[in-house]
Amino acid sequence: QVQLQESGPGLVKPSETLSLTCTVSGYSISSGYYWGWIRQPPGKGLEWIGSIYHSGSTYYNPSLKSRVTISVDTSKNQFSLKLSSVTAADTAVYYCAREGGNLPNEYFQHWGQGTLVTVSS
Amino acid sequence: AIRMTQSPSSFSASTGDRVTITCRASQGISSYLAWYQQKPGKAPKLLIYAASTLQSGVPSRFSGSGSGTDFTLTISCLQSEDFATYYCQQYYSYPTFGQGTRLEIK
Repeated sequence: QVQLQESGPGLVKPSETLSLTCTVSGYSISSGYYWGWIRQPPGKGLEWIGSIYHSGSTYYNPSLKSRVTISVDTSKNQFSLKLSSVTAADTAVYYCAREGGNLPNEYFQHWGQGTLVTVSS
Repeated sequence: AIRMTQSPSSFSASTGDRVTITCRASQGISSYLAWYQQKPGKAPKLLIYAASTLQSGVPSRFSGSGSGTDFTLTISCLQSEDFATYYCQQYYSYPTFGQGTRLEIK
């Protein structure tokens, strides 16, 4: 059974870079599927950030594209998110997830438990 | 971006009721639609994809229908564990979600 676990700092200062890692168990990232990041501000809805394939192909939300980098480390079975120049508006629970289809940017079949990242000085 | 609008935003119902949640896309998305259930403090859980395909392990009281711009999620006989927030998500273009529908106990 595939499991995902987010890790990283829970507090980031404004203008700095948010960095999170998702560790996958029960499935090899190299075997396929697309792997994504989704966030949810406290009390609000869900926003897709971007997704990656094991080959390194990336897809980003156009509204965040200039600040987002997603990378993959197949040797560690992990993928990572970097979001630069953060502001308070980036405060959210960040989820990593595995997509369910064979094409990029589809639905999200398996989710991590989420990690709250607060942007504050 | 394709905008997804859910209705109602919240409502209350009783155990055993049949309930329907509606999701409308700002443009046609064929059947590229998924539904999720989220409980407080938990990650969303995939219920339905391709508008009407039930995710493995999801009870058959959940069903989805629609294509183009109008979609519905129906719960045929509400159980206590179904009180949660529900989101639709399109994947015709880059993924976007509806604002959520909160289902509360009457």
